[in-house]
Formats: sequence, structure tokens, C-alpha cells
Amino acid sequence: EPEVTQTPSHQVTQMGQEVILRCVPISNHLYFYWYRQILGQKVEFLVSFYNNEISEKSEIFDDQFSVERPDGSNFTLKIRSTKLEDSAMYFCASRGTGVETQYFGPGTRLLVL
Amino acid sequence: GNSVTQMEGPVTLSEEAFLTINCTYTATGYPSLFWYVQYPGEGLQLLLKATKADDKGSNKGFEATYRKETTSFHLEKGSVQVSDSAVYFCALISDRGSTLGRLYFGRGTQLTVWP
Repeated sequence: EPEVTQTPSHQVTQMGQEVILRCVPISNHLYFYWYRQILGQKVEFLVSFYNNEISEKSEIFDDQFSVERPDGSNFTLKIRSTKLEDSAMYFCASRGTGVETQYFGPGTRLLVL
Repeated sequence: GNSVTQMEGPVTLSEEAFLTINCTYTATGYPSLFWYVQYPGEGLQLLLKATKADDKGSNKGFEATYRKETTSFHLEKGSVQVSDSAVYFCALISDRGSTLGRLYFGRGTQLTVWP
């Protein structure tokens, strides 16, 4: 069964460093999402992406964040200058056309020191 | 605005016990409602969904009924198994104002089932 994959599974970085989180969505999906979950809090929407552009972003998704689909398979989330409060589990999701169900990857646990 | 509130965990049950995890929502319009499950080391998986009032979603022995009058979507299972141990997330997609169907999640409820 096709699945969404994410790399790395864990990343530790120093405050102020740039990180890139990678996702490979399901191959025929066209809609892509990033969510995050700070420990003990809700899973929060960050951004949705379709047709090579951002469709919607939350108030969390400020200028430090960017997304890109650099080729036909990867979907990346970049945090330009990490802060302590960016420590969270980051989930990528994708969905196909005409359906609501989003398929999630296993997540990347980011720790900013 | 849109939000989901679900019961705090953790929930600990013996095998074959009855499970209820409460979920209530606030939304404009007529949202679709979901339960996702996360097994250890895995991503969020759709467990069941309901798209309109009075619909019942069901899967793997789990059920939830979309109750518009009480704005609830409680998850139930009559007899839990050890393999049901996971984190359960209630979520909604609003039919208003969102172009690509962003999900609004609750905090998740950790369920542990003992043999």
C-alpha cells in the first residue's frame, strides 16, 4: 500500500540553524500539507500546497518557514533560523483529487537546543 | 472559529473493556469529522469519518456518530484489544473558508490496553 514517508525521523539542531524536513507524498497525490505537534499540545496546521504554490497558511507559518516541491517526488519544509519553540513533531500529509482523506507520514521529531 | 476538544488522557483499560473517548467540536457550517489513530512509530492513520449529521462512521470495531445537536463525535468500541493501544485524534474539516481542507485536531488521547 502506498504511504507517505518522511526523513529524517529525528533531528537535533542548534538554535539559529537552518533545517530542512523532507517528505515523499503518495505518488499520484496533488495536495500537500505540513502540520506540527508541540509536546502535549494539539496537532496544528502549518501550510497547504497545490499546483506549486501555497494555498493556505496558518499564523504559525511566518517568514522563517518555507515549502518547496523541488522535483516530482519530494515536498520539503525549511525553517530558516530555528528557535527553541520550533521543537515539535512535524507531520507531512497528502491527498488525492476529489477526496477529503489526508494520508500522513510518520513524522520528524525536531529538537532545537 | 473551528476547534476540537477531546477528553484528556491517558486512558488505561483492561482487554475486552468498553471504550469511549469524548470529542466535541466548534465549527461554522457543516464540517466533516474524523478520527485518526497513531500507533507507536507510525504516522496518523484515518480510523473513520462522517460527513453529515447522524452519519455513523465505523472501522475495526470502532464507531462514532456525528451529532450536530450536541456538536459531538464520540469514539466507542465495545471490546478493546491490546493491539488498540495507540493515540487517538479527533479532527474536523470545515466546509467554510478553507480552500484545501485543512484539518483541525484535538490534542489526542493516549489509550493503553492491558491483557
